[in-house]
Amino acid sequence: GESVGLHLPTLSVQEGDNSIINCAYSNSASDYFIWYKQESGKGPQFIIDIRSNMDKRQGQRVTVLLNKTVKHLSLQIAATQPGDSAVYFCAENMPRGTGNQFYFGTGTSLTVIP
Amino acid sequence: DAGITQSPRHKVTETGTPVTLRCHQTENHRYMYWYRQDPGHGLRLIHYSYGVKDTDKGEVSDGYSVSRSKTEDFLLTLESATSSQTSVYFCATGGRGNQPQHFGDGTRLSIL
Repeated sequence: GESVGLHLPTLSVQEGDNSIINCAYSNSASDYFIWYKQESGKGPQFIIDIRSNMDKRQGQRVTVLLNKTVKHLSLQIAATQPGDSAVYFCAENMPRGTGNQFYFGTGTSLTVIP
Repeated sequence: DAGITQSPRHKVTETGTPVTLRCHQTENHRYMYWYRQDPGHGLRLIHYSYGVKDTDKGEVSDGYSVSRSKTEDFLLTLESATSSQTSVYFCATGGRGNQPQHFGDGTRLSIL
């Protein structure tokens, strides 16, 4: 799910299909990960999170998988709906003395075809 | 997020002018953050606050200053705006450790 240059990776899926969005993170010391959804003109919206001591977490229609061996996260959206069309990006947290230091991916643009 | 309000939502200004962006939260969160979002980059941290009057720099802090005189408000100031600071600025609040950050809807700032 990381972009090259100015263009986001894109994913187009048919309504009702499952979507999988991928993200490579950079630091093996990161201990917490979040997926965000961002619609045009809006701020990022929290979807689901996972701690580094887990490899899978499920929410409503969403599942996050964490593979620490290859530093990879994925977001699975079941039965994708038109309202799921947005940019999705991951964030990794590295602990820091006085707060969190989150690093954000550039995102993947998901388009749901009705 | 209904609990985080950014103002203004849009601003156009000229190079060399001072600019202040405001973030107001009703969540009573201890931590507040300012990010900028640019094409080809993920959100990048400018400054953050871990309490009233307690702030620290992020990865892109040059040219920016912040202040936090009360829990609810976190101000971002560009002392002398440059065209490279044209961006969308997001405020976030959150807790420490394994807790998500929640974002406002952003300020689109254009510096001509």
